Amino acid sequence: DAGITQSPRHKVTETGTPVTLRCHQTENHRYMYWYRQDPGHGLRLIHYSYGVKDTDKGEVSDGYSVSRSKTEDFLLTLESATSSQTSVYFCAINMGQGQKSYTFGSGTRLTVV
Amino acid sequence: DQQVKQNSPSLSVQEGRISILNCDYTNSMFDYFLWYKKYPAEGPTFLISISSIKDKNEDGRFTVFLNKSAKHLSLHIVPSQPGDSAVYFCAASVETSGSRLTFGEGTQLTVNP
Repeated sequence: DAGITQSPRHKVTETGTPVTLRCHQTENHRYMYWYRQDPGHGLRLIHYSYGVKDTDKGEVSDGYSVSRSKTEDFLLTLESATSSQTSVYFCAINMGQGQKSYTFGSGTRLTVV
Repeated sequence: DQQVKQNSPSLSVQEGRISILNCDYTNSMFDYFLWYKKYPAEGPTFLISISSIKDKNEDGRFTVFLNKSAKHLSLHIVPSQPGDSAVYFCAASVETSGSRLTFGEGTQLTVNP
């Protein structure tokens, strides 16, 4: 087990409020990713990080920001939540050393009402 | 622009029979392909992968086939078991992309006893 945890597991929030999701890993892996899963779209990359303070946008980054001030934590923030951001959010880490598969967290189910 | 497509949202097979899940891609730069399995309320887990220098990779009951000319890959599960019932995601990556994965929409496999 790669030791990746997401919090919270479930959250309901109101439109227009800020929301922060946390991803925590215990093994100091360099690469971390945030994906969202929606029916008919599979998993889509929101943002990713390749080191402390090094982040980049994915294919669906609008409305999201990220921060990585420590190797072990990767935060995803919805500055002003909208109903279209209702989704299941997954964090993933890449083990590095040529490993090309990810290990995923258990997900955060976010509902924006 | 969906670069990785799984055209079958669902597949139902009988226990003991073969399950064949299909995936097509459009980006000729993809050089590594993976399959993930996902149970409800859990994160996706890595199942099997294949490099573009191969056309087949086998791991127990699971075999992945890659047809580069057709930009098509498939996952064969033989024999299928009820515990294989899950959503299967196809994913692809480019060597120079920092291990970013592009996922398909997923296929819900149901194996009936």
